[in-house]
Amino acid sequence: AQSVTQLGSHVSVSEGALVLLRCNYSSSVPPYLFWYVQYPNQGLQLLLKYTSAATLVKGINGFEAEFKKSETSFHLTKPSAHMSDAAEYFCAVSSNTGGFKTIFGAGTRLFVKA
Amino acid sequence: DAEITQSPRHKITETGRQVTLACHQTWNHNNMFWYRQDLGHGLRLIHYSYGVQDTNKGEVSDGYSVSRSNTEDLPLTLESAASSQTSVYFCASSVNGDGKGDTDTQYFGPGTRLTVL
Repeated sequence: AQSVTQLGSHVSVSEGALVLLRCNYSSSVPPYLFWYVQYPNQGLQLLLKYTSAATLVKGINGFEAEFKKSETSFHLTKPSAHMSDAAEYFCAVSSNTGGFKTIFGAGTRLFVKA
Repeated sequence: DAEITQSPRHKITETGRQVTLACHQTWNHNNMFWYRQDLGHGLRLIHYSYGVQDTNKGEVSDGYSVSRSNTEDLPLTLESAASSQTSVYFCASSVNGDGKGDTDTQYFGPGTRLTVL
């Protein structure tokens, strides 16, 4: 079965500091991987997705994620946090193992301190 | 611009009542999904559809039903609302271009906050 684990339900960084949100997945076959962001009182929107073209994926708002098959990880990073990055972030996986149904992680809430 | 809308945005109902939440998309997507979002659980899939007349149960489908009579709409019905169904409900849609299922970006509606008293 496929699954996705986000390490840390809450992450706090200072404005200008590196953002690192961790995501590990389990899938026996190459997966499709996604990061979504949810701002307060809104639906989720796509930040970036991995579809086996390139292991380093660049998304919107300066975020990027690297697919590491050996570590089964897809961590999200941003070099310099901005106050507007405060939101909840969800990692998601879809693969043949799970019948190509998307499974979402529990989410990580990012706090940005001034 | 294409969009996905949900109505109502807020609903308060009583235990035992039937409730229907509407979801309408103008993306012309084959795939449509209903999720519930609860603190500590992330998003959990309730039902999904890969096309007209196709519906499938997700991981938390008990007490919910859907029907897909056209491409644009996937209404979610709570047959007899329970307090455990108090939650925020999100509808989403995606393309199914490669025929595999759900491998592409999902587009989410703004959500419906449902309270069952």
